[in-house]
Amino acid sequence: QLQLQESGPGLVKPSETLSLTCTVSGGSINRNSYYWGWIRQPPGKGLEWLGNIYHSGTTYYKSSLESRVTISIDTSNNQFSLRLTSVTAADTAVYFCARVIARRGIRGVILASGWLDPWGQGTLVTVSS
Amino acid sequence: DVQMTQSPSTLSASVGDTVTITCRASQSVNSWLAWYQQKAGKAPQLLIYDASSLQSGVPSRFSGSGSGTEFTLTIRSLQPDDFATYYCQQYNSYSSYSFGQGTKLEIK
Repeated sequence: QLQLQESGPGLVKPSETLSLTCTVSGGSINRNSYYWGWIRQPPGKGLEWLGNIYHSGTTYYKSSLESRVTISIDTSNNQFSLRLTSVTAADTAVYFCARVIARRGIRGVILASGWLDPWGQGTLVTVSS
Repeated sequence: DVQMTQSPSTLSASVGDTVTITCRASQSVNSWLAWYQQKAGKAPQLLIYDASSLQSGVPSRFSGSGSGTEFTLTIRSLQPDDFATYYCQQYNSYSSYSFGQGTKLEIK
C-alpha cells in the first residue's frame, strides 16, 4: 500500500525558506501515470494547491506562488521536496504531499492534473520569529 | 483560474438523513471533479473522482453527479462517521487544480 510521509522543520522564521520532504513508500515514484503534489491548509481554512512534479522533473506551480516555490524530485530515494522562500505568517499551514492520479488528454498524453490519492498525514509549519 | 464554490458552507443533519452538497465551477470543468472527506486533524480522503466514480473502499451511500459547472455529492443514510468536512476539487485545467472552500457537515 502506497504511503507518503512529510518531514521537515515545524518552525521557520519570517523571510527565511521553508523546506519539506515527502518520502514515498510502498511504490515507485517513477511510475508514468502519476504526478506528485504539494497542498497546504492554513489553520481553520481550506485547501490550496501549491504545485506538482513528474518523475522527469517537469513541474507546475500555482501562478500566484510561482516566484517563491520550487519542487524537486529525487527518484533514487523515492522522495520529492518543497521549497518556499521569503515566508511570512501567511504561509503558516499544514503542508500535505499527495500522489496525483494524472488524467490523460488527447492521444493518451499524461496531464499534470488529476485527483489526489493517497495523501500524507500532513505536517504543521509555523512561521514565527 | 477556475473558481469552485460549495454550498452550503455548513450543513446540520441527523444520523439516517440524506444530504446533498453542491459544488459550482466558474467555468466548465467537464466531468473532471473529485470529492474528499476530511476529519479534524487528518488528511483529506478521496471519495469520488471523475464526478461520479466511487473510489475503492468508499461506502456506496456516497454518490456524485453532475458535469460542466454544477456537481453534487449525496450521502444517504448518514452514519456517525460521516460528520466531517467535504471538499470538491476540479482538475480540468491541464496543469493545475483548485478546491472548493469546504462544507462542514455537523450533527443536528
